[in-house]
Amino acid sequence: AQSVTQPDIHITVSEGASLELRCNYSYGATPYLFWYVQSPGQGLQLLLKYFSGDTLVQGIKGFEAEFKRSQSSFNLRKPSVHWSDAAEYFCAVHDPTGGGNKLTFGTGTQLKVEL
Amino acid sequence: GAVVSQHPSWVICKSGTSVKIECRSLDFQATTMFWYRQFPKQSLMLMATSNEGSKATYEQGVEKDKFLINHASLTLSTLTVTSAHPEDSSFYICSASRDRVTDTQYFGPGTRLTVL
Repeated sequence: AQSVTQPDIHITVSEGASLELRCNYSYGATPYLFWYVQSPGQGLQLLLKYFSGDTLVQGIKGFEAEFKRSQSSFNLRKPSVHWSDAAEYFCAVHDPTGGGNKLTFGTGTQLKVEL
Repeated sequence: GAVVSQHPSWVICKSGTSVKIECRSLDFQATTMFWYRQFPKQSLMLMATSNEGSKATYEQGVEKDKFLINHASLTLSTLTVTSAHPEDSSFYICSASRDRVTDTQYFGPGTRLTVL
C-alpha cells in the first residue's frame, strides 16, 4: 500500500527566511502528488500538484515543489516566508492506476512563523 | 473556479439526534465526492467515496449505518450522522473532483460537529 511520510511534525521559521517542508512517498510507480495547506478550523486549499512533465512545479502564494524520483520525494519550498503562511501543510499522493482518485495524506507539518 | 461549500459550518446537537451535512460543488459538476473526518491536530481520515447516482464506498472501519452518504446530483452530496454520540464529535470535511482518475480534489471549508 502506498504511504506518505512527512518527517517534520512542527517547523518554526523566522519571517523572511526560506522554507522547505519534506515529503516522501512509498509507491512502486510515480503517483500524482499534491500539497495542501490548512488554516485553523478551515478546509484544505490546494497549493500545487504534480502529474508529469517538469519536475519543478510552481504553485500559489509563491510556493514551489520539486519531484525527485530517485529520492521518492516531493518537498515544498518557499524562498521567503510570510507570517500569513503559518498553517498546517499536508502532502498527499494519488495512485493513478488504482481506478479512482482517492488520496493518501501525510500526517501534516505545522508551520509556525516568528516575527 | 472549483469552489466547494459545506453547510453548516458548525453544529451542536444532543446525543441521539441525527445531523445532516451538505457538500456542494458551486461551479463545476462533481463526478466524485469524498468525506473525511479530522481529529484535532491529526491528518484527514477518508470515510467514504461517493459517485453520483450510486452507493457510497466506505472505508474499512466506517459504519455505514452510522454515516449515511447520499450523492443525489452532480453538485450535492450529504452526510448524515445518525443517532450521534459525543464520540462522533469531530471536524468533517468534504471534497469534490470532476472526474475519477486525474482531477484534483477540491475541499470544502469543513463542518465542526459537537455532540453533547
